Amino acid sequence: SAVISQKPSRDICQRGTSLTIQCQVDSQVTMMFWYRQQPGQSLTLIATANQGSEATYESGFVIDKFPISRPNLTFSTLTVSNMSPEDSSIYLCSVRVSLIYTFGSGTRLTVV
Amino acid sequence: ELKVEQNPLFLSMQEGKNYTIYCNYSTTSDRLYWYRQDPGKSLESLFVLLSNGAVKQEGRLMASLDTKARLSTLHITAAVHDLSATYFCAAMGGATNKLIFGTGTLLAVQP
Repeated sequence: SAVISQKPSRDICQRGTSLTIQCQVDSQVTMMFWYRQQPGQSLTLIATANQGSEATYESGFVIDKFPISRPNLTFSTLTVSNMSPEDSSIYLCSVRVSLIYTFGSGTRLTVV
Repeated sequence: ELKVEQNPLFLSMQEGKNYTIYCNYSTTSDRLYWYRQDPGKSLESLFVLLSNGAVKQEGRLMASLDTKARLSTLHITAAVHDLSATYFCAAMGGATNKLIFGTGTLLAVQP
């Protein structure tokens, strides 16, 4: 299975600012997935990112709020823009290699 | 649209007891996954179930899949405190093979 390095691991941000989360994978993967896990909740898929094309966003998530970059097959970023306290969550990236979905260690975001 | 439901949401067990977590999904799914999450940690893969009737076991945990009923179960045998965690099931679906998660089951094993 793939190994994912995700950073930052946590951050405290002021409302109205933006934070960019990075995920680096140790192998080339076609698709990367970004999830949000609100406190005490399950994981909700934000978007699927393919290299060389625009990300596909799930219902309730928009590109202006969560822009994603996928410059190559081993790297992706998710930006949380114009943050509010409601954005306080854990954000996780994930990749699928063969049958296995692997998750990054997560970014714990607190917006104050 | 694929939806995944899990029950119970919370399970308090005594050590040595058996119990089952249920996972229902709404549309055809090629695969069913089970994950464990410890507090403040990421997700640890437990099982991947690929076909109808699939059964996998690891230690005190056993997972099964019934694709006709769109049901997967995670059975816990003789629970121990170390099994305390949140358990998620997830079904794979959609054009991009995205993983859709259930609500999660918080398992607390009491001595």
